[in-house]
Amino acid sequence: QVQLQQWGAGLLKPSETLSLTCAVYGGSFSGYYWSWIRQPPGKRLEWIGEINHSGSPNYNPSLKSRVTISVDTNQFSLKLTSVTAADTAVYYCARVEWLRNLDSWGQGTLVIVSS
Amino acid sequence: DIQMTQSPSSLSASVGDRVTITCRASQSINSYLNWYQQKPGKAPKLLIYAASSLQSGVPSRFSGSGSGTDFTLTISSLQPEDFATYCCQQSYSTPWTFGQGTKVEIK
Repeated sequence: QVQLQQWGAGLLKPSETLSLTCAVYGGSFSGYYWSWIRQPPGKRLEWIGEINHSGSPNYNPSLKSRVTISVDTNQFSLKLTSVTAADTAVYYCARVEWLRNLDSWGQGTLVIVSS
Repeated sequence: DIQMTQSPSSLSASVGDRVTITCRASQSINSYLNWYQQKPGKAPKLLIYAASSLQSGVPSRFSGSGSGTDFTLTISSLQPEDFATYCCQQSYSTPWTFGQGTKVEIK
C-alpha cells in the first residue's frame, strides 16, 4: 500500500518561493507519474503539474512560468516562485495511475501567503 | 482547458436515499472521467475511475456512468459516512481539470 508524506513551509511572504516535498513509501516509484494539486479556500481543485521517475515534467500552462517540479529517489518536489495571496491554498501531492486518475494522495499542506 | 461543471452544487438527503450527482464537460472526454470524495480537512479519495470503474475498496453502493460530455455519480443508499463533498475530474487532456464539487448534507 503506497503512502505519500509531504512537508514544507506553511507561511510565506509575497514574492517568496513555495517549496514542498513529497516522499513515497511502500510502493513502486518508477512507472508512475507523480502530481501536485492545490485547493484554494472554498474553491475547486487545481492541477499544478506532474513528473515521472525519469524527471520529465508536465505543467499547467496557467502556472508554468513559475513552477518547477523535480524528482529524486522516491520523492518529488514542487517549487513555485513569486507567490502572492492568490497562491494561498492546501497543496497536495498524489500518484497518477495509468488512466490518469489520482489514486493515492498526501495529507495536504496548508500554505498561507501573507505579508 | 476543458471546463467541468457539476450539478447540483449542494443537496440535502437522508440516510437510505438514492443520490445522483451530474458532471458535464465542455467537450467530449470519452470515458476519461474520475470521481472523488472529500471530507473536511482531508485529501480527496478516488471512488470511480474511467467513468464507471469502482476503485478497489470502495463500497458497491457507489456507481458511475456516462461518456462523452455527460456523467453521473450515483449513491444507491446513502450512509452516514457518505456525507461529504464529491467532485469530478477529467483526465482526457492536460491540464487535468476538476468540477466545483457537490456537497452532500444531512437532511
